[in-house]
Amino acid sequence: DIQMTQSPASLSVSVGETVTITCRASENIYSNLAWYQQKQGKSPQLLVYAATNLADGVPSRFSGSGSGTQYSLKINSLQSEDFGSYYCQHFWGTPWTFGGGTKLEIK
Amino acid sequence: QVQLKESGPGLVAPSQSLSITCTVSGFSLTDYGVSWIRQPPGKGLEWLGVIWGGGSTYYNSALKSRLSISKDNSKSQVFLKMNSLQTDDTAMYYCAKHERGYDYFDYWGQGTTLTVSS
Repeated sequence: DIQMTQSPASLSVSVGETVTITCRASENIYSNLAWYQQKQGKSPQLLVYAATNLADGVPSRFSGSGSGTQYSLKINSLQSEDFGSYYCQHFWGTPWTFGGGTKLEIK
Repeated sequence: QVQLKESGPGLVAPSQSLSITCTVSGFSLTDYGVSWIRQPPGKGLEWLGVIWGGGSTYYNSALKSRLSISKDNSKSQVFLKMNSLQTDDTAMYYCAKHERGYDYFDYWGQGTTLTVSS
Protein backbone atom coordinates (compact mmCIF):
# COMPACT_ATOMS: atom_id res chain seq x y z
CA ASP A 1 0.00 0.00 0.00
CA ILE A 2 1.15 3.55 -0.71
CA GLN A 3 1.70 5.54 2.48
CA MET A 4 0.92 9.25 2.53
CA THR A 5 2.87 11.32 5.05
CA GLN A 6 1.42 14.74 5.64
CA SER A 7 3.07 17.62 7.51
CA PRO A 8 2.72 19.48 9.69
CA ALA A 9 0.09 17.72 11.78
CA SER A 10 -1.09 21.04 13.12
CA LEU A 11 -0.46 24.68 12.45
CA SER A 12 -1.46 27.80 14.35
CA VAL A 13 -1.74 30.78 12.01
CA SER A 14 -3.28 34.22 11.78
CA VAL A 15 -5.76 35.54 9.24
CA GLY A 16 -3.88 36.96 6.29
CA GLU A 17 -0.88 34.66 6.57
CA THR A 18 0.24 32.23 3.90
CA VAL A 19 0.59 28.54 4.72
CA THR A 20 1.94 25.49 2.94
CA ILE A 21 0.99 21.91 3.74
CA THR A 22 3.06 19.08 2.33
CA CYS A 23 2.27 15.49 1.47
CA ARG A 24 4.86 12.86 0.66
CA ALA A 25 3.98 9.54 -0.98
CA SER A 26 5.95 6.38 -0.33
CA GLU A 27 6.31 5.90 -4.09
CA ASN A 28 5.71 7.87 -7.27
CA ILE A 29 1.99 8.61 -7.66
CA TYR A 30 2.31 10.52 -10.95
CA SER A 31 0.27 13.53 -9.77
CA ASN A 32 -2.70 11.35 -8.85
CA LEU A 33 -3.31 13.39 -5.73
CA ALA A 34 -6.29 15.21 -4.29
CA TRP A 35 -6.65 17.63 -1.37
CA TYR A 36 -9.74 17.95 0.81
CA GLN A 37 -10.83 20.46 3.42
CA GLN A 38 -12.87 19.35 6.40
CA LYS A 39 -14.47 21.78 8.78
CA GLN A 40 -15.42 20.75 12.28
CA GLY A 41 -18.44 18.46 12.26
CA LYS A 42 -18.70 18.45 8.47
CA SER A 43 -17.78 16.05 5.70
CA PRO A 44 -14.62 16.62 3.62
CA GLN A 45 -14.87 18.78 0.51
CA LEU A 46 -12.71 18.46 -2.58
CA LEU A 47 -10.26 21.34 -3.05
CA VAL A 48 -7.68 20.16 -5.58
CA TYR A 49 -7.47 17.18 -7.92
CA ALA A 50 -4.66 15.83 -10.08
CA ALA A 51 -2.22 17.72 -7.88
CA THR A 52 -2.78 21.17 -9.39
CA ASN A 53 -6.40 21.57 -10.52
CA LEU A 54 -8.80 23.55 -8.35
CA ALA A 55 -12.24 22.03 -7.91
CA ASP A 56 -15.25 24.07 -8.94
CA GLY A 57 -15.91 27.01 -6.65
CA VAL A 58 -12.59 26.83 -4.79
CA PRO A 59 -11.07 30.30 -4.29
CA SER A 60 -7.91 31.12 -6.22
CA ARG A 61 -5.97 31.69 -2.98
CA PHE A 62 -5.66 27.89 -2.88
CA SER A 63 -3.09 26.24 -5.11
CA GLY A 64 -1.62 22.78 -5.46
CA SER A 65 1.78 21.78 -6.74
CA GLY A 66 4.18 18.91 -6.88
CA SER A 67 5.09 15.76 -8.74
CA GLY A 68 6.53 12.34 -8.15
CA THR A 69 6.38 11.74 -4.44
CA GLN A 70 6.23 15.34 -3.11
CA TYR A 71 3.13 17.55 -3.16
CA SER A 72 2.02 20.78 -1.55
CA LEU A 73 -1.12 22.75 -0.87
CA LYS A 74 -0.61 26.50 -0.49
CA ILE A 75 -3.15 28.90 0.91
CA ASN A 76 -2.43 32.58 0.32
CA SER A 77 -3.86 35.23 2.62
CA LEU A 78 -5.75 32.90 4.97
CA GLN A 79 -9.37 33.76 5.58
CA SER A 80 -11.38 32.85 8.67
CA GLU A 81 -13.37 30.29 6.69
CA ASP A 82 -10.16 28.40 5.81
CA PHE A 83 -9.59 27.09 9.31
CA GLY A 84 -10.17 23.39 9.72
CA SER A 85 -8.42 20.19 8.71
CA TYR A 86 -6.84 19.32 5.39
CA TYR A 87 -6.16 15.87 3.95
CA CYS A 88 -4.28 14.64 0.93
CA GLN A 89 -5.33 11.44 -0.87
CA HIS A 90 -3.55 9.50 -3.59
CA PHE A 91 -5.49 7.80 -6.35
CA TRP A 92 -2.68 5.83 -7.96
CA GLY A 93 -4.06 2.32 -7.52
CA THR A 94 -6.07 0.80 -4.69
CA PRO A 95 -6.16 1.01 -1.80
CA TRP A 96 -6.53 4.78 -2.04
CA THR A 97 -5.03 6.21 1.13
CA PHE A 98 -5.14 9.55 2.89
CA GLY A 99 -2.54 11.55 4.69
CA GLY A 100 -2.91 11.87 8.43
CA GLY A 101 -4.30 15.39 8.14
CA THR A 102 -3.23 18.92 9.01
CA LYS A 103 -5.28 20.93 11.45
CA LEU A 104 -5.19 24.68 10.86
CA GLU A 105 -6.01 26.65 13.96
CA ILE A 106 -6.39 30.34 14.59
CA LYS A 107 -3.48 31.94 16.42
CA GLN B 1 -27.79 18.92 -7.69
CA VAL B 2 -25.67 16.00 -6.52
CA GLN B 3 -26.51 14.75 -3.06
CA LEU B 4 -25.59 11.71 -1.02
CA LYS B 5 -27.13 10.81 2.31
CA GLU B 6 -26.13 7.99 4.61
CA SER B 7 -28.44 6.23 7.04
CA GLY B 8 -27.51 3.62 9.58
CA PRO B 9 -28.35 2.06 12.94
CA GLY B 10 -26.26 4.39 15.10
CA LEU B 11 -25.38 1.78 17.73
CA VAL B 12 -24.34 -1.83 17.22
CA ALA B 13 -23.15 -4.40 19.74
CA PRO B 14 -19.70 -5.98 19.39
CA SER B 15 -19.53 -9.03 17.11
CA GLN B 16 -22.74 -7.95 15.36
CA SER B 17 -23.14 -6.83 11.76
CA LEU B 18 -23.71 -3.41 10.25
CA SER B 19 -25.72 -2.25 7.32
CA ILE B 20 -25.58 1.35 6.10
CA THR B 21 -27.45 2.81 3.15
CA CYS B 22 -26.33 5.67 0.94
CA THR B 23 -29.17 7.26 -1.01
CA VAL B 24 -28.03 9.45 -3.89
CA SER B 25 -29.67 12.00 -6.14
CA GLY B 26 -28.55 14.18 -9.01
CA PHE B 27 -26.61 11.42 -10.76
CA SER B 28 -27.04 7.82 -11.86
CA LEU B 29 -25.33 4.95 -10.09
CA THR B 30 -24.89 3.29 -13.46
CA ASP B 31 -22.56 6.10 -14.53
CA TYR B 32 -20.44 6.81 -11.45
CA GLY B 33 -18.63 4.92 -8.77
CA VAL B 34 -19.41 5.37 -5.08
CA SER B 35 -16.94 4.68 -2.30
CA TRP B 36 -17.31 4.19 1.42
CA ILE B 37 -14.87 6.01 3.71
CA ARG B 38 -14.78 6.10 7.49
CA GLN B 39 -13.29 8.39 10.12
CA PRO B 40 -12.88 7.34 13.76
CA PRO B 41 -13.51 10.11 16.29
CA GLY B 42 -10.67 12.64 16.18
CA LYS B 43 -8.74 10.65 13.59
CA GLY B 44 -8.08 10.54 9.87
CA LEU B 45 -9.85 9.06 6.87
CA GLU B 46 -9.80 5.42 5.77
CA TRP B 47 -11.10 4.23 2.42
CA LEU B 48 -13.15 1.04 2.74
CA GLY B 49 -14.26 0.09 -0.73
CA VAL B 50 -15.92 1.14 -3.99
CA ILE B 51 -18.70 -0.03 -6.25
CA TRP B 52 -18.44 1.04 -9.86
CA GLY B 53 -21.22 1.88 -12.28
CA GLY B 54 -21.10 -1.59 -13.82
CA GLY B 55 -21.38 -3.19 -10.38
CA SER B 56 -17.81 -4.35 -9.85
CA THR B 57 -16.33 -3.79 -6.41
CA TYR B 58 -12.91 -3.30 -4.84
CA TYR B 59 -12.21 -3.42 -1.14
CA ASN B 60 -9.49 -2.30 1.20
CA SER B 61 -7.57 -5.52 1.72
CA ALA B 62 -7.30 -4.79 5.45
CA LEU B 63 -11.07 -5.15 5.77
CA LYS B 64 -11.97 -7.20 2.72
CA SER B 65 -13.06 -10.31 4.59
CA ARG B 66 -15.60 -8.31 6.60
CA LEU B 67 -17.00 -5.98 3.93
CA SER B 68 -19.62 -6.19 1.26
CA ILE B 69 -20.79 -3.33 -0.97
CA SER B 70 -23.82 -3.61 -3.23
CA LYS B 71 -26.36 -1.31 -4.82
CA ASP B 72 -29.84 -0.95 -6.23
CA ASN B 73 -29.61 1.31 -9.27
CA SER B 74 -33.37 1.67 -9.54
CA LYS B 75 -33.60 3.01 -6.01
CA SER B 76 -30.37 5.05 -6.26
CA GLN B 77 -29.04 3.31 -3.17
CA VAL B 78 -25.65 1.88 -2.25
CA PHE B 79 -25.26 -0.49 0.67
CA LEU B 80 -22.33 -1.16 2.99
CA LYS B 81 -22.37 -4.31 5.07
CA MET B 82 -19.69 -5.11 7.61
CA ASN B 83 -19.62 -8.06 9.95
CA SER B 84 -17.82 -8.98 13.18
CA LEU B 85 -17.83 -5.40 14.41
CA GLN B 86 -15.43 -4.36 17.15
CA THR B 87 -15.11 -1.18 19.18
CA ASP B 88 -12.43 0.17 16.85
CA ASP B 89 -15.04 0.18 14.06
CA THR B 90 -16.66 3.10 15.86
CA ALA B 91 -16.49 5.94 13.35
CA MET B 92 -18.31 8.33 11.08
CA TYR B 93 -19.10 6.49 7.85
CA TYR B 94 -19.26 8.47 4.63
CA CYS B 95 -20.27 7.58 1.11
CA ALA B 96 -18.65 9.62 -1.64
CA LYS B 97 -19.11 9.91 -5.39
CA HIS B 98 -16.20 9.48 -7.77
CA GLU B 99 -15.53 11.97 -10.50
CA ARG B 100 -16.05 10.22 -13.83
CA GLY B 101 -12.87 8.48 -14.89
CA TYR B 102 -10.99 9.40 -11.74
CA ASP B 103 -10.48 7.93 -8.33
CA TYR B 104 -10.94 10.98 -6.18
CA PHE B 105 -14.17 11.99 -4.47
CA ASP B 106 -15.98 15.06 -5.75
CA TYR B 107 -19.07 14.84 -3.55
CA TRP B 108 -19.49 13.44 -0.04
CA GLY B 109 -22.48 12.61 2.07
CA GLN B 110 -22.95 14.16 5.49
CA GLY B 111 -21.95 10.89 7.16
CA THR B 112 -23.61 8.58 9.64
CA THR B 113 -22.19 7.87 13.07
CA LEU B 114 -21.66 4.30 14.15
CA THR B 115 -20.87 3.38 17.73
CA VAL B 116 -19.90 -0.20 18.53
CA SER B 117 -20.64 -0.79 22.17
CA SER B 118 -22.36 -3.21 24.46
